[in-house]
Amino acid sequence: GAVVSQHPSRVICKSGTSVKIECRSLDFQATTMFWYRQFPKKSLMLMATSNEGSKATYEQGVEKDKFLINHASLTLSTLTVTSAHPEDSSFYICSARTSGTHTEQFFGPGTRLTVL
Amino acid sequence: SQQGEEDPQALSIQEGENATMNCSYKTSINNLQWYRQNSGRGLVHLILIRSNEREKHSGRLRVTLDTSKKSSSLLITASRAADTASYFCAPRYSGAGSYQLTFGKGTKLSVIP
Repeated sequence: GAVVSQHPSRVICKSGTSVKIECRSLDFQATTMFWYRQFPKKSLMLMATSNEGSKATYEQGVEKDKFLINHASLTLSTLTVTSAHPEDSSFYICSARTSGTHTEQFFGPGTRLTVL
Repeated sequence: SQQGEEDPQALSIQEGENATMNCSYKTSINNLQWYRQNSGRGLVHLILIRSNEREKHSGRLRVTLDTSKKSSSLLITASRAADTASYFCAPRYSGAGSYQLTFGKGTKLSVIP
């Protein structure tokens, strides 16, 4: 299957700092990218959906000013957690797919964020 | 909610046995996808079954879909310790703008060597 990478895989930061997570589709052009958040032993929660060149669509309850998403190209999307706080500590997973009804959605390996 | 619901929540079997996980969903779908997640890792796409398909195979995996019951099942035959993971189903619902996948809590499978 296609490959989606995330960087960094793990980040530890101080409260109040901003953290940027990159998501790249390595061998295909991703018209749509998704950002999920997963708490320990819980399901994935969709945070936002972004189409290349457009503003992201955020799910209810997700602060768009806190979680800035940029999808500048067909192979790169970034999630910036601004002014991170300990409650933002989580596992963030990005996903990408091409257009079409029956295309698969490929997931990155995830980024473990720990805010001290 | 629009997510798929997996059943059972946890399953523990001996190596070599078959494992069956079920998924139920709410409304009409275009397709349904199954994923595996190893602890602390990202999701791996296993198989996609379209709404007009009833069964699909991939290696030791067999997926069935019953749209009349709005349910799907994932069967792993001759399980191995390496199959230990959480398994999620993700229905892709019909309708405009419904291209995102939503996930249930998954089935946590433990295969004992």
